[in-house]
Amino acid sequence: ETGVTQTPRHLVMGMTNKKSLKCEQHLGHNAMYWYKQSAKKPLELMFVYNFKEQTENNSVPSRFSPECPNSSHLFLHLHTLQPEDSALYLCASSQVALSGANVLTFGAGSRLTVL
Amino acid sequence: DAKTTQPTSMDCAEGRAANLPCNHSTISGNEYVYWYRQIHSQGPQYIIHGLKNNETNEMASLIITEDRKSSTLILPHATLRDTAVYYCIVRVLSYQLIWGAGTKLIIKP
Repeated sequence: ETGVTQTPRHLVMGMTNKKSLKCEQHLGHNAMYWYKQSAKKPLELMFVYNFKEQTENNSVPSRFSPECPNSSHLFLHLHTLQPEDSALYLCASSQVALSGANVLTFGAGSRLTVL
Repeated sequence: DAKTTQPTSMDCAEGRAANLPCNHSTISGNEYVYWYRQIHSQGPQYIIHGLKNNETNEMASLIITEDRKSSTLILPHATLRDTAVYYCIVRVLSYQLIWGAGTKLIIKP
């Protein structure tokens, strides 16, 4: 496999469930990202990991819990979600340079529906 | 913070060149301009980026004005598969790309 792979592609869960989204990148990149895309809204950055260390947390509610066990894998653990959390969750990776461009490669996304 | 302005939507005939404009009048000297596109319900796809000079790759060309306040993405021979939302983004913070609403490009047969 190449690129960025996200599983599952579709997930339906109740508000009391616990589930996880998985992301894997095969590009040798050193940074990984979680984005949220709600209907008719721009992409919102949720979390950034650089060399497995979390470097950004954009005021995301604690019901979303990221985990980055190594530079190739990223998880988003979901617990006690609300219907308004229904969205497309996108994982991305990049090779961050000290200066210069930062080009993201995205996965296909996980479509989450919270009932 | 640098911000971009794009038209909400555009049409282009199949086989013609699609020219998508973007204004970024507050861009700072070391900020790159990036273009991505998103086909319905898929993850965004990187197209091209540039700093000062015009750039070309197998997908598109990027023309940046000399004052860097605006740019144009050119798809030289648009096909129906180029129908997508196109995002022009200026990198603001170290890991942040601020995504706007983009331009919905519709390629018509």
